[in-house]
Amino acid sequence: AQSVTQLDSQVPVFEEAPVELRCNYSSSVSVYLFWYVQYPNQGLQLLLKYLSGSTLVESINGFEAEFNKSQTSFHLRKPSVHISDTAEYFCAVSDQSGGSYIPTFGRGTSLIVHP
Amino acid sequence: NAGVTQTPKFQVLKTGQSMTLQCAQDMNHNSMYWYRQDPGMGLRLIYYSASEGTTDKGEVPNGYNVSRLNKREFSLRLESAAPSQTSVYFCASRLRDGGIYGYTFGSGTRLTVV
Repeated sequence: AQSVTQLDSQVPVFEEAPVELRCNYSSSVSVYLFWYVQYPNQGLQLLLKYLSGSTLVESINGFEAEFNKSQTSFHLRKPSVHISDTAEYFCAVSDQSGGSYIPTFGRGTSLIVHP
Repeated sequence: NAGVTQTPKFQVLKTGQSMTLQCAQDMNHNSMYWYRQDPGMGLRLIYYSASEGTTDKGEVPNGYNVSRLNKREFSLRLESAAPSQTSVYFCASRLRDGGIYGYTFGSGTRLTVV
């Protein structure tokens, strides 16, 4: 079965600083990778996804993630964070384990941006 | 606005009571899912419906039942609520039950069982 590890449960950072949220998954032949963001008291929203092709994917609000097959990682980065980026971030991975493409979610990383 | 609508948003139940959480989507998605979210546990799949007329168990199905009423609606029922079912419940949908499709989530139902 697929497993997803988000290495940091909480990442505090000052506004305008860069940030990296780490995500590692267990190896599989073919995977699809997602990052979701959850703002306080809301549902999760899809932030970005990697399906195939270029290993670097970007979101509309300045986040990017890079698929690294050899490291089995899909880390999320932003060069300069804003207060409004404070949220919980979830990495999710889909593969065809057991014939199903149900994604496995990590436990989440809480990004806290301080002024 | 198009999306996934969950009702109710908040609920307090006494141990042993029953209730149904409602979920409806208007995006013509084929697949629908119920998750629970607990602190430090991430999201855990309770049940899902890959297409209208089918339902399957997820990781934590005990104590729950589901009904895919039609293509739009997928309800979750707690027959005899227990304190361990205190959680935030999210309904999600996606176009099909395939790995390339991301989820659209509802805003959640916060359930407390006392």
